[in-house]
Amino acid sequence: QVHLVQSGVEVEKPGSSVKVSCQASGGILSTYAINWVRQAPGQGLEWMGGVSPVSGTPNYPQKFQDRVKIIADEGTSTVYMEMTNLKNEDTAVYYCAARGDWDAFEMWGQGTMVTVSS
Amino acid sequence: SYELTQPPSVSVSPGQTASLTCSGYMLARKYTSWYQQKPGQSPVMVILLSAKRPPGIPERFSASTSGDTATLTISGTQTMDEADYFCQAWDDNTAIFGGGTRLTVL
Repeated sequence: QVHLVQSGVEVEKPGSSVKVSCQASGGILSTYAINWVRQAPGQGLEWMGGVSPVSGTPNYPQKFQDRVKIIADEGTSTVYMEMTNLKNEDTAVYYCAARGDWDAFEMWGQGTMVTVSS
Repeated sequence: SYELTQPPSVSVSPGQTASLTCSGYMLARKYTSWYQQKPGQSPVMVILLSAKRPPGIPERFSASTSGDTATLTISGTQTMDEADYFCQAWDDNTAIFGGGTRLTVL
């Protein structure tokens, strides 16, 4: 059984950066593409990007290309999502999710609450 | 940019059939996934490849796609099915989510 375990709550000030981790069990980084999806309070799901299991090449939507970096560390089976220049509207729960061969997000982490406030 | 549209809310009585729709341009040409999210919990995949139910998901969950509309059907809806449901598809290597439908069972 595969599990994704994320790091804990973060509280940051506007303009700062945050780095959230997602540790995968079961050696899945070679099989699944780990993606990041966020959910603002009371809102829907928003895809932030992901990293290919084969090449390690990240893929971001245009909205996040300049502020988000996703890096996979195969040695520790951990994927990191770093977001810079935080704004109040970045306050959200951030999920990592494993995308399999069938292009669906088959497994999800427990979520990490990131609060941006001065 | 590509968009998926879902009705904000659907209500159903216990034991009845709930139909949740997701609309997008030529959606039938893409694979749609569906996710269930209960309050305070992470999303759970309930359908992949537009109509395939993963292991562990009850048989009362089914889905289909025709033209621009994908439909998630829950037969014999139970109170435990009350949740938010999101559809998702890929367009130009970008994951697109619908806005979600809150299913109320009462």
